[in-house]
Order: sequence, then C-alpha cells, then structure tokens
Amino acid sequence: GAVVSQHPSRVICKSGTSVKIECRSLDFQATTMFWYRQFPKQSLMLMATSNEGSKATYEQGVEKDKFLINHASLTLSTLTVTSAHPEDSSFYICSARDPESSDEQFFGPGTRLTVL
Amino acid sequence: DAKTTQPPSMDCAEGRAANLPCNHSTISGNEYVYWYRQIHSQGPQYIIHGLKNNETNEMASLIITEDRKSSTLILPHATLRDTAVYYCIVRVVSGSARQLTFGSGTQLTVLP
Repeated sequence: GAVVSQHPSRVICKSGTSVKIECRSLDFQATTMFWYRQFPKQSLMLMATSNEGSKATYEQGVEKDKFLINHASLTLSTLTVTSAHPEDSSFYICSARDPESSDEQFFGPGTRLTVL
Repeated sequence: DAKTTQPPSMDCAEGRAANLPCNHSTISGNEYVYWYRQIHSQGPQYIIHGLKNNETNEMASLIITEDRKSSTLILPHATLRDTAVYYCIVRVVSGSARQLTFGSGTQLTVLP
C-alpha cells in the first residue's frame, strides 16, 4: 500500500512555543489529507480536513487559529500547533487519500507531542 | 455515516482464529464496512473492506451478514503481533474525500 510519513515522530516543547508537524505522501499525490488527534486510551478524533491549494476545513470545537494547517503541495501537509499548552499534549496522526487506490486512506505513524 | 458497536475487548490464543464482531444495524445501502487496526502508539493500518459479499485478503477475512446489519473480521491464525485495537467503520465511498469516523474499537489481546 501507499506510504505516508510524519515528522517528527516525537517532540517535546515548552509551553507557549509553536510546533510544526509534517505529513508527506511518499509515493502518491494526495489532494486531501486529514489530521486526527488521539488522547491516551481514547479513539482518534478528526481535527480537520486539509485540501491542496485551499483552506482547511475544521471540525467543530477545533480552533483554526491555534492549529494552523497548510497543504501547499500534493505530497505535503503541515500542522502547526501555535502557543502550545500542556493540554495540547497528544498523539497527532495524519492520513492521506490516494485517489488512484479506490479512495483508500493511508495513515502516517503519528507524532507524539508533549508540552511541558 | 452509520454508527457501529463493538465489544471493548477480546482475548485470543496464539495460533487460533480471532473473530471480531461488529454491529451496524443502521447501515445504508451505499455504505461499505471497513476494518482498520491500531497497534499501540502507531497510526491505524487498513485491513479490509466490503459492501455485501464476503471478502478475503492476505491479512483477514470479512464476513457480512445477508441483511448487512453486522459483520465479523476473522484473523485465521492470530499471532502476538496482531495484538491491537481493531476499528470497524462504515462509510460511503464516492468521489468525495470523506473522512473516517472512529469509534472506540475492540482491544484484541493475543495470548501466548
């Protein structure tokens, strides 16, 4: 199947700083990518849908000014957590839709964010 | 997308078949049944999907009841590496990019 990578895999930052997470589709072009967040012992919750060349669509309750999403190319979407706080500590996972593979979505390995 | 109901946890002996049930009684005619799994601290992994007919691939088999209100994922010979949370998801597949809505899933523990 198609491969999606995320970078970094793990990040620790101080409260008040910003953190950028990259999501790349390595062997296919993804017009749409999705960002999820997962707290310990909970399921994945969709944060936003990222569309190449246009503004992201955020789920209810997700602050668009805090979680900045940029999808400037067909293989890269970035999520920036601005002014991070300890409550933003979570596992962030992206997925990318491969239009050439029956609309399947492929997930990245996730990024563990810890805000001190 | 239709809601799904799964048992929160199951155990299975290594080498035996693992049968994971899923209820989706409100599924619509154009909704597919998808199964993903998530090994601890990793991203979800696609397993299999189907609409009406039973499906089989190198990872698992999917059995969908005739009325499509429930399904069973079968791992024929479970190994310790199959320990994971298994998610059953029903969704429409179309030209639009619909997101996946994850429920709470089933924690499968394969015991040695």
